[in-house]
Amino acid sequence: EAGVVQSPRYKIIEKKQPVAFWCNPISGHNTLYWYRQNLGQGPELLIRYENEEAVDDSQLPKDRFSAERLKGVDSTLKIQPAELGDSAVYLCASSLEGRAGNYGYTFGSGTRLTVV
Amino acid sequence: QKEVEQNSGPLSVPEGAIASLNCTYSDRGSQSFFWYRQYSGKSPELIMFIYSNGDKEDGRFTAQLNKASQYVSLLIRDSQPSDSATYLCAVNLEYGNKLVFGAGTILRVKS
Repeated sequence: EAGVVQSPRYKIIEKKQPVAFWCNPISGHNTLYWYRQNLGQGPELLIRYENEEAVDDSQLPKDRFSAERLKGVDSTLKIQPAELGDSAVYLCASSLEGRAGNYGYTFGSGTRLTVV
Repeated sequence: QKEVEQNSGPLSVPEGAIASLNCTYSDRGSQSFFWYRQYSGKSPELIMFIYSNGDKEDGRFTAQLNKASQYVSLLIRDSQPSDSATYLCAVNLEYGNKLVFGAGTILRVKS
């Protein structure tokens, strides 16, 4: 079974430029999460999807961040425009619907963003 | 107060010793608790989860939970240099189907 797939693996952009990250969850996993991990910190939730619906986006900086999950499978996280403080690792994770509390979830390899 | 707190370390132990990693949480209604291992430059990897008070053992790893004290720990027996990593404690909050992570404890096992 393929795990959570993310791309790109690394991205370097200049500030004020747009950037997008892509995630393909484990097959059959209805719940998809985007986390951001700053250096030396734990992952922090940005948004959680149940199928196509964003059910928890309270931590997503909506002035510059957007996300979508069309057809309830793949998801894209976008930043426009990027700021220096957005430099971090962006992690995608997935779980069976309602089962994160039972089994945790699996992370993808992450996208390391550097804004210069 | 942060929802999940860990000592950032680094915690240094000699090879073969027991490493003890600790975590406290603020949401008294939390029901499940997880330990993830994260090697430098890699994504977090789930190694243990625990729901009930007491101990849960898996190979060299033992997770311990005390809900009354809102405390969870991870013991690593016979520590190996390959155990050197950051260990993240995560809690499933009562009110949401999501995990909240601590900042992690850096473990260094010296050969």
